[in-house]
Amino acid sequence: SQTIHQWPATLVQPVGSPLSLECTVEGTSNPNLYWYRQAAGRGLQLLFYSVGIGQISSEVPQNLSASRPQDRQFILSSKKLLLSDSGFYLCAWSVQPNSNQPQHFGDGTRLSIL
Amino acid sequence: DQQVKQNSPSLSVQEGRISILNCDYTNSMFDYFLWYKKYPAEGPTFLISISSIKDKNEDGRFTVFLNKSAKHLSLHIVPSQPGDSAVYFCAARALNTGNQFYFGTGTSLTVIP
Repeated sequence: SQTIHQWPATLVQPVGSPLSLECTVEGTSNPNLYWYRQAAGRGLQLLFYSVGIGQISSEVPQNLSASRPQDRQFILSSKKLLLSDSGFYLCAWSVQPNSNQPQHFGDGTRLSIL
Repeated sequence: DQQVKQNSPSLSVQEGRISILNCDYTNSMFDYFLWYKKYPAEGPTFLISISSIKDKNEDGRFTVFLNKSAKHLSLHIVPSQPGDSAVYFCAARALNTGNQFYFGTGTSLTVIP
């Protein structure tokens, strides 16, 4: 069966520090991969998605970036965090080719910027 | 531009009664619709989905209804249980855009024992 792992679960970082959140998927090949952010009291905002290694689409201009160095690994990064980067970050995967299959989410990372 | 909208941020229902969560969408190209359930500090869990070729899909206590002409989606939970208390997100996807799922802002359901 497929599983998705996301870490760390919680992270407290000072303003201006770098960020690296990692997500890996097991049990499937060539998945679509996604990074979302849920700000307090708000819905899920799509940040990045990837259909393959090295292929990243950005949905929201910001100081965050994403990379997919391996088929089942998705990394969210920042060189200098802002206070507004606080939130709950979620990684998700879905199958390819496109079919009526849901996205599956990791357990999320709670990021607090001080 | 919010293509999927959940206009009720919260809903309270007595245990044993029906919970009805609503969702509206604007993109007529959406062909696959989903509901997710989310507990605090956890990722959303897939609950139930429906293809645009259907108007109803049922799974146990959960039924999703799709009204394409009204661009409206609803989730019925019968009977509601305290463990159903969570935030529910509706989502939609258009096959011609393939890879993107569009989420609503969520409805927080509280089932009162």
